[in-house]
This record gives sequence, structure tokens and C-alpha cells, in this order.
Amino acid sequence: DAGVTQSPTHLIKTRGQQVTLRCSPKSGHDTVSWYQQALGQGPQFIFQYYEEEERQRGNFPDRFSGHQFPNYSSELNVNALLLGDSALYLCASSLGVGNTIYFGEGSWLTVV
Amino acid sequence: EDKVVQSPLSLVVHEGDTVTLNCSYEVTNFRSLLWYKQEKKAPTFLFMLTSSGIEKKSGRLSSILDKKELFSILNITATQTGDSAVYLCAVVGSNYKLTFGKGTLLTVNP
Repeated sequence: DAGVTQSPTHLIKTRGQQVTLRCSPKSGHDTVSWYQQALGQGPQFIFQYYEEEERQRGNFPDRFSGHQFPNYSSELNVNALLLGDSALYLCASSLGVGNTIYFGEGSWLTVV
Repeated sequence: EDKVVQSPLSLVVHEGDTVTLNCSYEVTNFRSLLWYKQEKKAPTFLFMLTSSGIEKKSGRLSSILDKKELFSILNITATQTGDSAVYLCAVVGSNYKLTFGKGTLLTVNP
């Protein structure tokens, strides 16, 4: 039973560029959330997708956008990258809301 | 806005010691509290607590929730070096998103 998988694991981008991160949820899960974790901090909620729609959104600018596909996989897009966007981006999945949430290994983004 | 405060922020113990990690919270329409262990990347799930006073236990780890006083504790007995990690506490409120604390960095020395 595959857990939550994310790609790429590491990437380096230049300020102003755009990045796309990908996530496949745990088998049987239909709800995907994205979190940003800066060094020494807890993860911060970006947004949540269910039935291909953004259901909840945290305090992140519109440069952060996402998508959920019919197979429940998801993408996180960040435009006009800033140095402060450097962080570990975590994808989490669950079966609906209110159930246990499982995390992927994350994608380390470094913006230079 | 939902808020989670963990204490201590860091802790150094020797193998065999028992540790207690604390988590207090403020949340609108509390639904659940979760504990995760984060070693390098992915937070791995430990416990989900929804009811007060019911201890959840897994091996040397246990946790309990007090919904009246708005806190939870995570206990680790007979600590081992493999327990070294960041322990994250998170709450789920009315909007079904996780709000995390900053975590407690636990270091277990041999």
C-alpha cells in the first residue's frame, strides 16, 4: 500500500521563476492538503483540495495555486518565487475530512 | 485564529529517561488533536485524540487529552536514541485544517 508520494524531492530555483510540485495521495484517500514548513517551524497550511476543488485556504498569497485531478493527485504551483519561499513543502492526504492525515516525504525547495 | 503552543521547545535527556511533552491549544470548534514525529522529512502519525481522559498508548508512547483545560501531553518512557526527533502537535478545528505548534526537539543521548 503506497503512502503519500511527492516529487521532486529537492529542487533549486531562481527568484522570479515558477515551480510545480506534485503529490499522489495514499491509496483510497480523496482529500489532499499542502503545507509549507520553514526551518525550525511547524508546518503551515496552504490549502486543501477535495473533489477537484479548493475547499480551504490558509494565509498565503495568490502566487500559490493548486489543482486536484480526477485520480485525486494534486499539484502545487508557486509563481514569482521569492527567497522566503524556500522551505519544505509537504503534501498530506486523508479519506474525507476529520480522519487521520498522512504526510508525504516532502519537496525541499531552495530559491536563490 | 487557531493556535497551538508546545513546550518545551527543546529537551535533552539520557537513554532510559521518561519525558513529557506538552501541547496547549485554542481552536474554534475543536474536532481532534494529533501528534506526529518528524525525524527528517515526513511527519509520521502517532496519535489522534478526540475525547478527554482516554489515554492512547502505543508501545512506550502514550498521550492523553484534556478538553476542559485545552491541553494534551505526550509521554515517552524508557527513551531510546531512536526517539530523537521533533514532536509536532496539531489541532483540527471547524475548517478541518491542521494547525501545528512549533514542535519540541527531543534529543536522547546514549
